[in-house]
Amino acid sequence: GDSVTQMEGPVTLSEEAFLTINCTYTATGYPSLFWYVQYPGEGLQLLLKATKADDKGSNKGFEATYRKETTSFHLEKGSVQVSDSAVYFCALQNSGYSTLTFGKGTMLLVSP
Amino acid sequence: GAVVSQHPSRVICKSGTSVKIECRSLDFQATTMFWYRQFPKQSLMLMATSNEGSKATYEQGVEKDKFLINHASLTLSTLTVTSAHPEDSSFYICSAETETYEQYFGPGTRLTVT
Repeated sequence: GDSVTQMEGPVTLSEEAFLTINCTYTATGYPSLFWYVQYPGEGLQLLLKATKADDKGSNKGFEATYRKETTSFHLEKGSVQVSDSAVYFCALQNSGYSTLTFGKGTMLLVSP
Repeated sequence: GAVVSQHPSRVICKSGTSVKIECRSLDFQATTMFWYRQFPKQSLMLMATSNEGSKATYEQGVEKDKFLINHASLTLSTLTVTSAHPEDSSFYICSAETETYEQYFGPGTRLTVT
């Protein structure tokens, strides 16, 4: 079955540091890939997505590239802010199916 | 952008009572909505898929008689936790699916059963 594996957190960084959160997946077919962000006490917000190999999703300074050869979709940001502190979820949606498969989430803590 | 609301945002109920959670798509119609449960510091667990005008599809291990789902219109799905117990305390999140199969999530409902 489909699965998503994320690096375990928490990831602790100082403001303006470079961020990478690793995500790899296993899926049949050609899934779409997503990153969602969850701020404390809130629901999930879509951060970015990519629907096919080599696509790059980007939003609010975050980027992730769909790498079919390595089945990865790592999240990166060049300079994090305190306000980026949240839990980040990698997810996939297989073609022809509605349901999302989520990774376990990675907490990011950014200190001033 | 697409907005999904949930009501209430927080609810405390006594053991043995039932509680209803509403999920609404505010600016689009959603044939399909999803209900998730999230335990502290864990990922989202899909509980059921709610289809407008038909019975919900429950994931394995989810008691359909305990978690009643009704999707009465294209903008509203409800989850009723019946005879709630402390172990049902959790964060419940819904999502609504657009025509292009994108899911938009509600802000979540924190249920505490005392």
